[in-house]
Amino acid sequence: AQKITQTQPGMFVQEKEAVTLDCTYDTSDPSYGLFWYKQPSSGEMIFLIYQGSYDQQNATEGRYSLNFQKARKSANLVISASQLGDSAMYFCAMREGYGMNTGFQKLVFGTGTRLLVSP
Amino acid sequence: DADVTQTPRNRITKTGKRIMLECSQTKGHDRMYWYRQDPGLGLRLIYYSFDVKDINKGEISDGYSVSRQAQAKFSLSLESAIPNQTALYFCATSGVVFTGELFFGEGSRLTVL
Repeated sequence: AQKITQTQPGMFVQEKEAVTLDCTYDTSDPSYGLFWYKQPSSGEMIFLIYQGSYDQQNATEGRYSLNFQKARKSANLVISASQLGDSAMYFCAMREGYGMNTGFQKLVFGTGTRLLVSP
Repeated sequence: DADVTQTPRNRITKTGKRIMLECSQTKGHDRMYWYRQDPGLGLRLIYYSFDVKDINKGEISDGYSVSRQAQAKFSLSLESAIPNQTALYFCATSGVVFTGELFFGEGSRLTVL
């Protein structure tokens, strides 16, 4: 069964610095997708970035990049130039299957990492 | 207006009461989901639905039921609420897209006393 592990309950970073949030996953399916979501204190879930298991390049979206190390089964989120508004809970998630024929996009979530950005 | 709307946003109820959480979406997606979030446990899937005629149990369906009234509406019911169902509940949708990310509602915070 697929599993996501986030070992950092909380992380602190100073404004303008970069921070890496760790995520490891376990699956026996060679085809899968990895996601990061942000949950601010207001509670909504905001999709940040996606990486497919067959993607050759690491995904990037603005200040967010995903450090995908397939052999190590890790999908760490890197936030560059942290901002105060980045303070939030961050969730790593995975679904098995790949592309248009994945059936249900059932995502399995990790337990989250709370990031606090200080001035 | 939000693409995925949940009502109520907050609800306090008593043990044994029947509760319904409603979700409606304007994204035109076929696939809808109910997740539950508990501190330290992340989000866990309760039920999911591909279309009006398709309902499937997720990881933690015991004590819950759902109804897909239309493509755009997916309701979650707690027939007899208990305190350990106190949680933040999310409805989500997804379309048939390559990445398959979920789009979440704003959440419904339920407290069962």
